[in-house]
Parts: sequence; structure tokens; C-alpha cells
Amino acid sequence: EPEVTQTPSHQVTQMGQEVILRCVPISNHLYFYWYRQILGQKVEFLVSFYNNEISEKSEIFDDQFSVERPDGSNFTLKIRSTKLEDSAMYFCASRSGTSENTQYFGPGTRLTVL
Amino acid sequence: TQLLEQSPQFLSIQEGENLTVYCNSSSVFSSLQWYRQEPGEGPVLLVTVVTGGEVKKLKRLTFQFGDARKDSSLHITAAQPGDTGLYLCAARTSTNAGKSTFGDGTTLTVKP
Repeated sequence: EPEVTQTPSHQVTQMGQEVILRCVPISNHLYFYWYRQILGQKVEFLVSFYNNEISEKSEIFDDQFSVERPDGSNFTLKIRSTKLEDSAMYFCASRSGTSENTQYFGPGTRLTVL
Repeated sequence: TQLLEQSPQFLSIQEGENLTVYCNSSSVFSSLQWYRQEPGEGPVLLVTVVTGGEVKKLKRLTFQFGDARKDSSLHITAAQPGDTGLYLCAARTSTNAGKSTFGDGTTLTVKP
């Protein structure tokens, strides 16, 4: 069964460093999402991406964040200058099309900022 | 801001008991999903409900979407220790981009 994959599973970085989190959505899906979950808190929406542009973003997704779909398979989240409060699980999700309601989530990347 | 409230937040029961988890909102959603999440892993889809009043069954799990599409419930019959985990409801609006809004989750513990 097709699934969303994410790499790395765990990323440790120093405050102020740039990180890139990678996702491979399910093939032929058209909508892509990033969510984050701070330890012990709820899953929060960051950004949605469709047709090679951002469709919607939350107030969390400030200028330090960016997303890119560099080729036909990868979907990346970049944090330019990480802060301690960026430490969280980051989940990528994808959805097949407008008529499909379900988002399928990847296993997540645990980001630890020291 | 669309909010989803889940209750109870924590639930601890004995094996064999029945339980119901609720997900409520003041907003109307185009669809609602129930996920189960294990520690350190991503949410795994259990079911999607779309139509008001819809009922779906998945073995011992019964999911219901409210008539007004503002609330949902998850009922587990004869709970087993393997049902232990975090249950999340998430709902989407009708916009095409359709982000999901998540509830806080219900942590279920089933004791043998």
C-alpha cells in the first residue's frame, strides 16, 4: 500500500542553523501539507501546497519557513534559522485530489534544536 | 479559528468494557477523520466520514458523524489492551486546499 515517507526520522541541530526536512508524498497525490506537533500538544497545521504554490499557511509559518517541490517526488520544509521552540515532530501529509477528503500522514521527523 | 474539542482527554478502562469518545465543534465541516497515533509516530487513518448522520463500522469500532456535521463519536465495543493509544479527530473545511484541524486527542488505556 502506498505511503508517505519522511527523512530523516530524527534531526538534531544547533540553534540558528538551517534544516531541511524531506518528504515523499504518495505518488499521484496533488495536495501536500506540513504539520507539526510539539511534545504533549496537538497537531498543528503549518502549510498546504498545490500546483507548485502555497495554498494556505498558518501564523506559525513565518518568514523562517519555506516549502519547495524541487522535482516530481520530493516535498521539502526548510527552516532557515532554527529556534529552540522549533523543536517538535514535523509531519508531512498528502491528499489525492479535490474530491478526496482524506490526508495521509508520514511517520514524522523529530527535530531537536539545542 | 475552528476548534475541535475532544472528550474525555484521558480514559482508563478494563478489558472488555465499552467506551465512547466525542469530538465536538461549533463549525460545520465537509469531512471528519479519526486517526490513531502511537508515541513518536504519525497519525494513522482509521476512518473518514462525510455525510451527516453517517455511521461506519471497523470491527469493534463504530464511528458516527452528527447530522449537522459539527460533531462525531467513536465507540469501541469490548475494548482490548491493543486498543490502547491516542485517538485523534481531525476535520476539514470545504476549501480545496482543505487543511485539517485536529482535536487535542483522547488517550485511551485498556488494562488487561
